[in-house]
Amino acid sequence: QAVLTQPSSLSASPGASASLTCTLRSGINVSTYRIYWYQQKPGSPPQYLLRYKSDSDKQQGSGVPSRFSGSKDASANVGILLISGLQSEDEADYYCMIWHSSAWVFGGGTKLTVL
Amino acid sequence: QVQLQQWGAGLLKPSETLSLTCAVYGGSFSDYYWSWIRQPPGKGLDWIGEISHSGGTKYNPSLKSRVTISLDTSKNQFSLKLSSVTAADTAVYYCARWDSSNWSWGQGTLVAVSS
Repeated sequence: QAVLTQPSSLSASPGASASLTCTLRSGINVSTYRIYWYQQKPGSPPQYLLRYKSDSDKQQGSGVPSRFSGSKDASANVGILLISGLQSEDEADYYCMIWHSSAWVFGGGTKLTVL
Repeated sequence: QVQLQQWGAGLLKPSETLSLTCAVYGGSFSDYYWSWIRQPPGKGLDWIGEISHSGGTKYNPSLKSRVTISLDTSKNQFSLKLSSVTAADTAVYYCARWDSSNWSWGQGTLVAVSS
């Protein structure tokens, strides 16, 4: 089982909100990790959006709009990237990442379609 | 503003050794961690490993037996060697700097493995 699991795709309408999930493998407690979120568009390296561990330990990437936010659902062992007020330019691949067992681990990515 | 410029062979035959180098411009080489990350075509991100400014290394366990990351502080460069490549190693390879919250990326190098 992968350390981080993301849905492969998600579709949402312009102006709506999209909740992208990053599920940690059983036995890895989401509460103890900073979860980093990246956006990647074709032909470019990933761009940093934000990191979230808790409301007191979070960071927004430079220039990243506040409509991108992070949270967790500890009961489901999930990290969440919420994008509100979806715009066409939000269509991209989104990756979560954690530092686990002395290694950076990426989720498989979610392709967000805005239509 | 740091800039990372990478180069290396783009076409390899199976069993050969992949070799890439990344030069760092406009920023200190010290106090950072320097990584290699790859992305197979149409797939997600895969962290290969990192080297600290003092030369300490950490590797992805799945690649550890084939990977060597080294440092040349006199030239502000770090390098990746991946031995015994197969078609599964075909990917865009990125060098990257981790600064405690974000990556700064090289431009990426497409490495194809084909007989």
